[in-house]
Amino acid sequence: DTEVTQTPKHLVMGMTNKKSLKCEQHMGHRAMYWYKQKAKKPPELMFVYSYEKLSINESVPSRFSPECPNSSLLNLHLHALQPEDSALYLCASSQRGQGAMGEKLFFGSGTQLSVL
Amino acid sequence: AQSVSQHNHHVILSEAASLELGCNYSYGGTVNLFWYVQYPGQHLQLLLKYFSGDPLVKGIKGFEAEFIKSKFSFNLRKPSVQWSDTAEYFCAVNADPYNAGNNRKLIWGLGTSLAVNP
Repeated sequence: DTEVTQTPKHLVMGMTNKKSLKCEQHMGHRAMYWYKQKAKKPPELMFVYSYEKLSINESVPSRFSPECPNSSLLNLHLHALQPEDSALYLCASSQRGQGAMGEKLFFGSGTQLSVL
Repeated sequence: AQSVSQHNHHVILSEAASLELGCNYSYGGTVNLFWYVQYPGQHLQLLLKYFSGDPLVKGIKGFEAEFIKSKFSFNLRKPSVQWSDTAEYFCAVNADPYNAGNNRKLIWGLGTSLAVNP
């Protein structure tokens, strides 16, 4: 199994809603990532978890709250989002949690989020 | 600050034409270099990477790239493109990967949109 699975594939939410994005991998990878991608643009790193601990937060607004319940799962909790937060949210994983170099990122297909 | 520059934003080719997509980065130290591809409606996937050793690296689907340290470049090539190569191509660099704070941060180029006409 070499997949990163993200649910839901599409999400429409209002600015007052609370929703969660989910990501799952069963490759035994110890680093997991959240990226945000606007159309035809490169992905922007949001968070990195390494061995289930948050190791990088790229100054993301607090309306985005990541959670890593275990080594296979990664969630992104959303609350009070703005229309400009509409984007494709990508989850990725890589094999080793620390000191890894030249690692391949395995990406999920993403959740297309629309904030109304 | 480090940056990655992809010179061609949009490229249109006919099938069987040769492809070269430019990528330059601005960092004088150790780097790891990647090319990722995003086919329409699909997830990002790794085409190839340079970590160390032979500067000419071969990837999936007949792609190759050459790391030229003196030119800070990592250009992607394919001798004969196919319609199925139509996709968005991103060059990415991990600058100073021995620094524990950096080794999972990739600096991405803005991407090149390739359209191959049948």
